[in-house]
Amino acid sequence: AQTVTQSQPEMSVQEAETVTLSCTYDTSESDYYLFWYKQPPSRQMILVIRQEAYKQQNATENRFSVNFQKAAKSFSLKISDSQLGDAAMYFCAPPLRPPYGGSQGNLIFGKGTKLSVKP
Amino acid sequence: KAGVTQTPRYLIKTRGQQVTLSCSPISGHRSVSWYQQTPGQGLQFLFEYFSETQRNKGNFPGRFSGRQFSNSRSEMNVSTLELGDSALYLCASSWTGMTEAFFGQGTRLTVV
Repeated sequence: AQTVTQSQPEMSVQEAETVTLSCTYDTSESDYYLFWYKQPPSRQMILVIRQEAYKQQNATENRFSVNFQKAAKSFSLKISDSQLGDAAMYFCAPPLRPPYGGSQGNLIFGKGTKLSVKP
Repeated sequence: KAGVTQTPRYLIKTRGQQVTLSCSPISGHRSVSWYQQTPGQGLQFLFEYFSETQRNKGNFPGRFSGRQFSNSRSEMNVSTLELGDSALYLCASSWTGMTEAFFGQGTRLTVV
C-alpha cells in the first residue's frame, strides 16, 4: 500500500522567517508527481507546488520550494519569508500511480500540518 | 476559466435519508475525484471517475456511490445517511487524474 506521513501535526513560525514542513511517502513506482496543497480556514484546497519525480531539480514557486529526496522518499516544503496569509493546513499528496496512460491517478493525502504564523 | 463548482455548499439531512452532491469540473478536465474530510479521519479518498468510468474506489461502504456524465460533471450519492457521514465533501478535477488536481469549495453535509 502507498502511504504518506507528515510527522509534524502542528508548526509555528514567526512572520518573515523560514519554516520547513516534512513529508515522507512510500511507493514502489519510479515515476510520479508529488504535490503540496494548502487549506486555509476557508477550507478551499489550493495547490502550492508540484514536483515531478524524474526531475532532479527541486521545484520552486516564489517563496515556496521543495527538497525532494527520491531515494529517501522525502518531500519537504520550505516556506521563506513567511506571511500571515500562509497560516493554513498543509497537505502532502503523492499520487497512487505514475502518469502513464490507463493508470488511475488518485491523490493520497497525509494527515496534514497545521501552520501558524506569528506576527 | 471557471473553477470547480460544487453544489450545494451546505446541506442538513436526517439519519436514514439519502443525499446527492454535484460537482462540475474545470472545462476540459476528464478526471473527477471525491474526498471526505472529517476532523478525526482527515482527508479520505472516496472514488475517481474518468470519462464516465469509475477508475478507483476508496475504502467506503456501498452506501457511497457516484457517477460521471458525458460532460464530465459528477455526482455522488450517499444512501441511508448516518451521523458519521457528517463531513466536508470535496471534489477535485484534473486533466488526466495524474496531473495536479483543482478542488471545489466543498459541500458541508450535516446529518442530524
